[in-house]
Amino acid sequence: AQKITQTQPGMFVQEKEAVTLDCTYDTSDQSYGLFWYKQPSSGEMIFLIYQGSYDEQNATEGRYSLNFQKARKSANLVISASQLGDSAMYFCAMREGWAKLSFGAGTTVTVRA
Amino acid sequence: EAGVAQSPRYKIIEKRQSVAFWCNPISGHATLYWYQQILGQGPKLLIQFQNNGVVDDSQLPKDRFSAERLKGVDSTLKIQPAKLEDSAVYLCASRRPGQGAPFTGELFFGEGSRLTVL
Repeated sequence: AQKITQTQPGMFVQEKEAVTLDCTYDTSDQSYGLFWYKQPSSGEMIFLIYQGSYDEQNATEGRYSLNFQKARKSANLVISASQLGDSAMYFCAMREGWAKLSFGAGTTVTVRA
Repeated sequence: EAGVAQSPRYKIIEKRQSVAFWCNPISGHATLYWYQQILGQGPKLLIQFQNNGVVDDSQLPKDRFSAERLKGVDSTLKIQPAKLEDSAVYLCASRRPGQGAPFTGELFFGEGSRLTVL
């Protein structure tokens, strides 16, 4: 069964605007972790941000913030002030147990000048 | 520090042939993962090692795929015989040793090995 769902296959955003990427997850564990990774066309996987299930505050890393709504089982990524270099595939991932990381299908973001 | 090394970067084979991919994780990283990423999809975990032991291989097609990490350092993923649907990028990742708690940090990925099966 799909545990990480990213419903937006592709999104366009204007440079300097903010964009929200949706991610919902399914788990019966009380302790879990949520991650976002960026994959540019070059193929490398770049870690962006992490949110633990017990963290009370939403995680932020520079222009990235994670909107964590535990009751709704959602972990949306917000990219503020989009830049052309943000054009990439973005993956939501969930840690199950100690170290198993499962990824969603991804969302392609294209930033327009 | 050196990153996760993978080879070869590209491989083209005919169906039913065999192929092997090699991964050398970052020094000191005890946990090693192999992911399969089909074009346009998210990475799918094939196998996870902790040192030289297998932690999870529930999604590894064991009739054709095998992986080993004999000395707890580098790892090899083999496909024999290959099928058309095995065309994908095979990503290796590693992480720092855990400290008695679920990890919260970064998985370090290699550049991947792109397999094309004709």
